Amino acid sequence: AQKVTQAQTEISVVEKEDVTLDCVYETRDTTYYLFWYKQPPSGELVFLIRRNSFDEQNEISGRYSWNFQKSTSSFNFTITASQVVDSAVYFCALSEAGYNTDKLIFGTGTRLQVFP
Amino acid sequence: EAQVTQNPRYLITVTGKKLTVTCSQNMNHEYMSWYRQDPGLGLRQIYYSMNVEVTDKGDVPEGYKVSRKEKRNFPLILESPSPNQTSLYFCASSPPGVWGKLFFGSGTQLSVL
Repeated sequence: AQKVTQAQTEISVVEKEDVTLDCVYETRDTTYYLFWYKQPPSGELVFLIRRNSFDEQNEISGRYSWNFQKSTSSFNFTITASQVVDSAVYFCALSEAGYNTDKLIFGTGTRLQVFP
Repeated sequence: EAQVTQNPRYLITVTGKKLTVTCSQNMNHEYMSWYRQDPGLGLRQIYYSMNVEVTDKGDVPEGYKVSRKEKRNFPLILESPSPNQTSLYFCASSPPGVWGKLFFGSGTQLSVL
């Protein structure tokens, strides 16, 4: 069965520190998608990235980077030189491709607090 | 502006009083979905719709109904709300070809007394 585990419930850092948010997933499928979403204090959910299971290249977007490792079923998210505006709840999510492409399974989220 | 609009933003009601949370998107997306967010549980899918007149249950459909008569609208109906349906609700839509890239509404905080 599909499952996404975000073991870190809450992380606190001071501005300019690097921080990594962990995401471990379980799936029976060989073709699947992984996602990260951000929920800032205002409450809306914002899409950050989508990765398919055939693309294990790491991705970097500004201060954000994602490390996808199939061998450990992990899709970790690193924020470099964190800023107060990065304070949010971050959700990792998984979707299996193929027959049941209509469902996104979310982890329980990691609350990141960045202090000035 | 491309967006998903949910109303109301906040709603307090009493057990058993039927209510509807509206959701509308202006991006011509075929896929729409409802989620509820609860502390410690993340987001769980209630219902989804692949297109007009096509809806199906998600993980936690009990106590909810939906309809999809038009592409842009996907209302969530609670016919007899109960306190365990107190939650933060999100409507979302997704464009074709980019499965899983969800555009979310601002959320509806529902309290059932």
